[in-house]
Amino acid sequence: DIVMTQSPLSLPVTPGEPASISCRSSQSLLHSNGHNFLDWYLQKPGQSPQLLIYLGSYRASGVPDRFSGSGSGTDFTLTISRVEAEDVGVYYCMQALQTEGFTFGPGTKVDIK
Amino acid sequence: QVQLVQSGGEVKKPGASVKVSCKASGYTFSNFALTWVRQAPGQGLEWMGWISAYNGHTIYAEKFQGKVSMTTDISTSTAYLELNSLRSDDTAVYFCARGSSLCSGNHCFSYWGQGTLVTVSS
Repeated sequence: DIVMTQSPLSLPVTPGEPASISCRSSQSLLHSNGHNFLDWYLQKPGQSPQLLIYLGSYRASGVPDRFSGSGSGTDFTLTISRVEAEDVGVYYCMQALQTEGFTFGPGTKVDIK
Repeated sequence: QVQLVQSGGEVKKPGASVKVSCKASGYTFSNFALTWVRQAPGQGLEWMGWISAYNGHTIYAEKFQGKVSMTTDISTSTAYLELNSLRSDDTAVYFCARGSSLCSGNHCFSYWGQGTLVTVSS
């Protein structure tokens, strides 16, 4: 099974400042088609998760451009260029390369300092 | 617009079974697989598996094999998740989710149900 890790697990942020979350996988997520099978989700308090980034770096529809995804292989980063108060919640990365078993990272809780 | 509406919360005794539904609307049901994700209280997200709404093919996470059964009813555009031999550690919110046509695999979950809380307690 592919194991996903995230750091940090807790991230206090200041509105207007940048923030980044790291996600690492135990195996490369680079598919033979050239895409990385790595998604990022945000679960705001009391809500269902929402898709932010797919295939490592593609922003989902309606996601503000302050969110960006980067990385390849086993190391990925989600960056928020300027954090806003509405960005609080838990961020999860998820690998989707292993079709018999996708796995989420443990989550990174982002809150306002 | 695409919507996934799940059934209401359930309270079950240990050893019982439960069936959670996820009714889809706003798209052609058979064109997309549906995935189920579990979230225990205060915990993270856990991928359980998916079912093709086209042919009923299923993939279950190894941890849930023998524990869950995923089915669909094309006539009502509804997916079902059945859990058997319930234990207290099955207490969780169960989400259904649908992928996006932007991704070739059954991921990029652009649409989610509101979640169904299943409580297992004697």
